Amino acid sequence: KQEVTQIPAALSVPEGENLVLNCSFTDSAIYNLQWFRQDPGKGLTSLLLIQSSQREQTSGRLNASLDKSSGRSTLYIAASQPGDSATYLCAVPNLFSGGYNKLIFGAGTRLAVHP
Amino acid sequence: DAGVIQSPRHEVTEMGQEVTLRCKPISGHDYLFWYRQTMMRGLELLIYFNNNVPIDDSGMPEDRFSAKMPNASFSTLKIQPSEPRDSAVYFCASSFGRNEQFFGPGTRLTVL
Repeated sequence: KQEVTQIPAALSVPEGENLVLNCSFTDSAIYNLQWFRQDPGKGLTSLLLIQSSQREQTSGRLNASLDKSSGRSTLYIAASQPGDSATYLCAVPNLFSGGYNKLIFGAGTRLAVHP
Repeated sequence: DAGVIQSPRHEVTEMGQEVTLRCKPISGHDYLFWYRQTMMRGLELLIYFNNNVPIDDSGMPEDRFSAKMPNASFSTLKIQPSEPRDSAVYFCASSFGRNEQFFGPGTRLTVL
């Protein structure tokens, strides 16, 4: 059974720091991995999607890496800003039940960037 | 593109009443998903459709929940009768094939 874990559960950093959010999954036979951002009271915004054949994906100050063999992904945020404050979630398809589109989500990392 | 549209944004109802949540996916997307988010259980997939056909409803908690997709641009999630434990945020999402899923803003449901 695929399980997704995110560490840390919460993180508070001063503005300008580079930071790393971690996501681990128990079954390495994933098709892709998606990182989302959720602002309080809002929906999820897709940040990055990494295919299983890729090692990295970049968008602006965000860089996501994927290591299938170790069951890990990291989201790197460079030069953090207060506007980055949100909950970050990772999700992988639940291939156990044959669902390439059935995402299993981690519980998220709640990030606070203070001025 | 307007993104995924959900209505209503907030719904407050009394136990036993019927609740209908609505979703308009992104035009051209062939997959539509309904999720529920609670503090206790996080984000859970309830059901998803491909080309308007329900593919997997194993996440639907009880027979009180039903979902339909009469055409490519509209879906509903119905709860009848509603119970206080159904209180949650319900999200609709859509995708094209096995690509990124795009989420709507959600409907916050409170059942008194």
